Order: sequence, then structure tokens, then C-alpha cells
Amino acid sequence: GAGVSQSPRYKVAKRGQDVALRCDPISGHVSLFWYQQALGQGPEFLTYFQNEAQLDKSGLPSDRFFAERPEGSVSTLKIQRTQQEDSAVYLCASSLGGRGSQAFFGQGTRLTVV
Amino acid sequence: KNEVEQSPQNLTAQEGEFITINCSYSVGISALHWLQQHPGGGIVSLFMLSSGKKKHGRLIATINIQEKHSSLHITASHPRDSAVYICAVPGGTGNQFYFGTGTSLTVIP
Repeated sequence: GAGVSQSPRYKVAKRGQDVALRCDPISGHVSLFWYQQALGQGPEFLTYFQNEAQLDKSGLPSDRFFAERPEGSVSTLKIQRTQQEDSAVYLCASSLGGRGSQAFFGQGTRLTVV
Repeated sequence: KNEVEQSPQNLTAQEGEFITINCSYSVGISALHWLQQHPGGGIVSLFMLSSGKKKHGRLIATINIQEKHSSLHITASHPRDSAVYICAVPGGTGNQFYFGTGTSLTVIP
């Protein structure tokens, strides 16, 4: 596609439910990032992939968060046993790679845990 | 400690006003990004710059690498410019970005 695509755009989950958020990066982009953005805050880094390799997952807030990119293209962020504090916008970005290369962002998935 | 600081946090302007948003950072960088985020959450990249000044329409971005400071200017502001403007710099391992908390701009007709 022409840009980074995320789905769903909105997700309401009951506390304790598992959710899966999908990111389709721009074709050919090596780097893929996931960010979590709480209301009124800037995005916070969660994890980074270079192709299929997850090179940095230092930002994942707990072991309930898991991300994968098995074929080096589409990525899924999974949150198990969701809690209210997981409510946020989850942003995906991709880039060609290389330090400082321009990142292109998806529209985000707004997760609300009730 | 925040690697990226933005000011102001909130800004209300009358249509037509000249607007300036400031960004200071503490890490060494190769380039700085200005991003625009609309209420739905989607982020659009406005500028990536490593020196001097860039202009796109009514938007102007400047950077002073020595002072670790960048500004985003909007000339002849319009209500459709209302959004959150975020400054971001690359950092950490793996090409991640550090983001400012954003400046929420509201332009009143």
C-alpha cells in the first residue's frame, strides 16, 4: 500500500481479554517500530524490528505484551489479559532503515479497556 | 529526564497569526523530525531536517545543531492547522525515536 496501515482503528476490550493489533508497513521497509501513546503524552517506544528480527523490546511494559513480525513484513502486537492502564493509542511506524531515516506512521489503534 | 522538550504545551491562536513551536533536545542527532498528529491519532511527517531551514507551504522548520534547538513556524495560521505538533529525534539502539510530549495547537476562526 501507499502508507502504513493499522487495524483495527478502534478496539474496546473487557479487562482480562486478549487483543491483537496489526500493522502493515510500507513495502520494502526494513525497520518497524511500535509505540504506545497515553492521552496527552508523546509516543513511548515499545519495540523495534529489523526485518523479522526483534532487535529491541526494552519498551514493552510487561510480559503481557508480545510483538512479532514473522516474515519481515506485517507485524502483530499482542496484549494478553488487558488492564485498564493498557488503554492508549498504539502507533506503528516503518522506515527504510539507517539511523535517523524518515519514519512513516500509521493512523494508530485506539485501545480502550473497560 | 526527557531527551526532547517542547514548548509551549498548549497554544491558542487567532486565524492569521504567526505561530512558533520550540523544541530542545539533549542527545546528539543526525536529523530531527517534526510530526503532526490529528485528533484521530494518525501522525503525518512534516519535516526531517539536519541543518538550516526547510519550508513547505506555510510551514517553516529551522534547526540549530550547536544549540540543540529547533523551531516550527506556521505563517497565516488557519483552523485546519489545529493539531498536535510533535518533535522527534532518533536515539537509543535500533533507530528508535525520542518524542516530545507535543504542542496542542488550536486556531480559532
